[in-house]
Amino acid sequence: DAKTTQPNSMESNEEEPVHLPCNHSTISGTDYIHWYRQLPSQGPEYVIHGLTSNVNNRMASLAIAEDRKSSTLILHRATLRDAAVYYCIPPYIFGKGTRLHILP
Amino acid sequence: ETGVTQTPRHLVMGMTNKKSLKCEQHLGHNAMYWYKQSAKKPLELMFVYSLEERVENNSVPSRFSPECPNSSHLFLHLHTLQPEDSALYLCASSRGDRVDRGYTFGSGTRLTVV
Repeated sequence: DAKTTQPNSMESNEEEPVHLPCNHSTISGTDYIHWYRQLPSQGPEYVIHGLTSNVNNRMASLAIAEDRKSSTLILHRATLRDAAVYYCIPPYIFGKGTRLHILP
Repeated sequence: ETGVTQTPRHLVMGMTNKKSLKCEQHLGHNAMYWYKQSAKKPLELMFVYSLEERVENNSVPSRFSPECPNSSHLFLHLHTLQPEDSALYLCASSRGDRVDRGYTFGSGTRLTVV
C-alpha cells in the first residue's frame, strides 16, 4: 500500500497563504492523490484531488510534482476556520496528517 | 450535513452488550466504508463494500460484523467489545470503489466501551 509523509503540525498567520506538503513516493501510477481535512468532532471533509495536473477549486489548489512523488496543498488566504488536520491520501490509507494552526 | 448520516452520534456500551451502528447515504454512491479513528492514531480502514459486496476486510476482529443490505445503508454490528475498541467510527461513501471522485464522510459515532 502507498504511504504518505506529512509534517505533524504547521502554523500560519491569518489571511496569508499556506503550503502543506506531502510525500507519497510509493503511489502507483493510476492512484489519485486526495486531500481531506478534519475539524474537531467531525468526519474528514473532501478538499481536492488530482492525478497528474495541478488542480484548483473554490477551497484550495493542488500542485503535483512531475514525478508524482509529492504534492502540495495550497490555501490561498488562510482563515481561522481552516484550522484542522489535513490528510494527504492515496486511496483508503490515511496517515496522521498535518495539524494546521492559524494565528489571528 | 454531508449527505452521509450516522446514528447514533454517541454510544456507551458494556463489554457484554450487543449494539449496532448505522450509516445511511442518499448520494447515489455505490461503495461504502467503515473506518476506525482512535485517539492519536491515523484512521484505520475496517471494511469496504462495493455494490453491496464486501471487497475488503482489513483483519478486523470478528466482534465487529458489517452488513450492507443495499447501496444506501451500512451497519456495523458490535458484540463483546473490549475497552480498547473505544473510538470514533466513521462511515464514508463514494461513487465506485476506486474513490477517484473522493469520499464523503459522516460525522461519526463516538463509541465508549466500559
